[in-house]
Amino acid sequence: GDSVTQMEGPVTLSEEAFLTINCTYTATGYPSLFWYVQYPGEGLQLLLKATKADDKGSNKGFEATYRKETTSFHLEKGSVQVSDSAVYFCALSTGAGSYQLTFGKGTKLSVIP
Amino acid sequence: DGGITQSPKYLFRKEGQNVTLSCEQNLNHDAMYWYRQDPGQGLRLIYYSQIVNDFQKGDIAEGYSVSREKKESFPLTVTSAQKNPTAFYLCASSIGKNIQYFGAGTRLSVL
Repeated sequence: GDSVTQMEGPVTLSEEAFLTINCTYTATGYPSLFWYVQYPGEGLQLLLKATKADDKGSNKGFEATYRKETTSFHLEKGSVQVSDSAVYFCALSTGAGSYQLTFGKGTKLSVIP
Repeated sequence: DGGITQSPKYLFRKEGQNVTLSCEQNLNHDAMYWYRQDPGQGLRLIYYSQIVNDFQKGDIAEGYSVSREKKESFPLTVTSAQKNPTAFYLCASSIGKNIQYFGAGTRLSVL
């Protein structure tokens, strides 16, 4: 079945450091890929998405590129801020008749001043 | 403002009791979903509904029930058959198979 594997956290960075959160997937067909962010005590918000190979999703300084050859969708940001502290989830949807999102376990990021 | 409203924010269940979590959306979305989130785990799908009066089981439907009598509403009942109900429950909605938008969640605990 479909699955998403994220790097385990927690990840602690100093403000202005470079961020990478690794995400790899296993899926049949051609999935769409997503990054969601969850701030403490809240629901999930879509951060960015990519729907086909080599697409780059970007939002709020975050970027991720859909790499079919390595089945990866790593999240990056050049300079993190304290306000980026949250849990980040990688997810996929196989489309093709499926309404279901498959999520990774999440990676908690803490940014310290 | 359009969005998804979940209530209550916190809920406590006694042994043998059924409890119902509310989810209302005013986004005019056709599809609605219920997920369960446990610490250190990703989200797991409980039920989803593509249209009114229709719903399908997700990966962990046992011990839960839903109804979809109105497009705007998709309540989740946690029945006494669910032996480990303590979790954070998230409702979401979407237009077809597009991006899912989430509510703020309900935290359920057992007394």
